[in-house]
Amino acid sequence: QQQVKQSPQSLIVQKGGISIINCAYENTAFDYFPWYQQFPGKGPALLIAIRPDVSEKKEGRFTISFNKSAKQFSLHIMDSQPGDSATYFCAAGKVAAGNKLTFGGGTRVLVKP
Amino acid sequence: GAGVSQSPSNKVTEKGKDVELRCDPISGHTALYWYRQSLGQGLEFLIYFQGNSAPDKSGLPSDRFSAERTGGSVSTLTIQRTQQEDSAVYLCASSPAPGGGYGYTFGSGTRLTVV
Repeated sequence: QQQVKQSPQSLIVQKGGISIINCAYENTAFDYFPWYQQFPGKGPALLIAIRPDVSEKKEGRFTISFNKSAKQFSLHIMDSQPGDSATYFCAAGKVAAGNKLTFGGGTRVLVKP
Repeated sequence: GAGVSQSPSNKVTEKGKDVELRCDPISGHTALYWYRQSLGQGLEFLIYFQGNSAPDKSGLPSDRFSAERTGGSVSTLTIQRTQQEDSAVYLCASSPAPGGGYGYTFGSGTRLTVV
């Protein structure tokens, strides 16, 4: 019940295209859904996060869409750039429980120039 | 410091030896977390500290793993009698507060290789 399933495992997109990564969770008690970006040799960095009281959140070229009834959320990277090439992780947590996060398996994104 | 600092950045150890991994969180951050990232995998929760409360050790994979946090700041993760399956990147993160949905700030990790 603690799993977060992420797809696809890898993604290749042309510069200027849209990258879409999907995640599904099982635990309905989760109330915090962040996305992290990780470059090789570095720790993950928080990209954008959403709470279940909204269906969409946009920050620059990054948008989270959230579907509470389907227990799914996704990350859209608009106008993808070579500098966006990284591994992206979705996660889910319960704020009242110390915000301990359960992470998806990651998606390696390659943006071709 | 400005970020979460972890040391050493790389550690190679022989099977059966003990290792200690260190984490210096961001000053003032009350919550501290340890995660493990195996090659090409997601992050696996290990342990969580919040202030003076008893730590949440629910993610520790075996009794060979232990962690402490001294003075509400620096934390050490100790792995006793290391095994090859312990090889992974160990990541530490800190957060201003456990609630409110504050994001973590991760360190760059310690890459542990058990040979």
